[in-house]
Amino acid sequence: GQQVMQIPQYQHVQEGEDFTTYCNSSTTLSNIQWYKQRPGGHPVFLIQLVKSGEVKKQKRLTFQFGEAKKNSSLHITATQTTDVGTYFCAEAGGRFGAGTRLTVKP
Amino acid sequence: EAQVTQNPRYLITVTGKKLTVTCSQNMNHEYMSWYRQDPGLGLRQIYYSMNVEVTDKGDVPEGYKVSRKEKRNFPLILESPSPNQTSLYFCASSSAWAYEQFFGPGTRLTVL
Repeated sequence: GQQVMQIPQYQHVQEGEDFTTYCNSSTTLSNIQWYKQRPGGHPVFLIQLVKSGEVKKQKRLTFQFGEAKKNSSLHITATQTTDVGTYFCAEAGGRFGAGTRLTVKP
Repeated sequence: EAQVTQNPRYLITVTGKKLTVTCSQNMNHEYMSWYRQDPGLGLRQIYYSMNVEVTDKGDVPEGYKVSRKEKRNFPLILESPSPNQTSLYFCASSSAWAYEQFFGPGTRLTVL
């Protein structure tokens, strides 16, 4: 089974609200990757985190890797309709979380 | 254009009829993998290949075979498909293990 747990499974927000998805592992991760899959599309790589406590930003997206390298989060500030999709975390070697499906109401 | 291609994109077949889904990448990537995506389960790895002639089982390999005779190609073979293999399949490649993966467009398979 999956060793990377991701929550929530679904998130519906009003446009302009913030959104966060979390990934947790029972074991220490060498790295964590985040992907976005638009409806009807394929997963597209967003970012990779490697260092303990690492924080990276891409415009309105903030990615964090926990100090113990067992958890990670993706935070979107002021969501837009273009943010709609499913966000996946993945550990090295290709084990993915179940994903968080984000819908945004205009 | 750098890309991963899969064929066919859609396939409806019947139980027991052998089929192959092709995957090809033009980025000279060493690592390739196959995933299936089912509602609520995310992406589950079927098989992966670290390099030519090197393949390993992922989390859900039962009922599937793969081969890696050339660096660019990584076909997925279902010798005797069953309805529980109805799913959306993605091929992916990366320059090496644990690096950014590039995904193909997906193959939607229905087994009746």
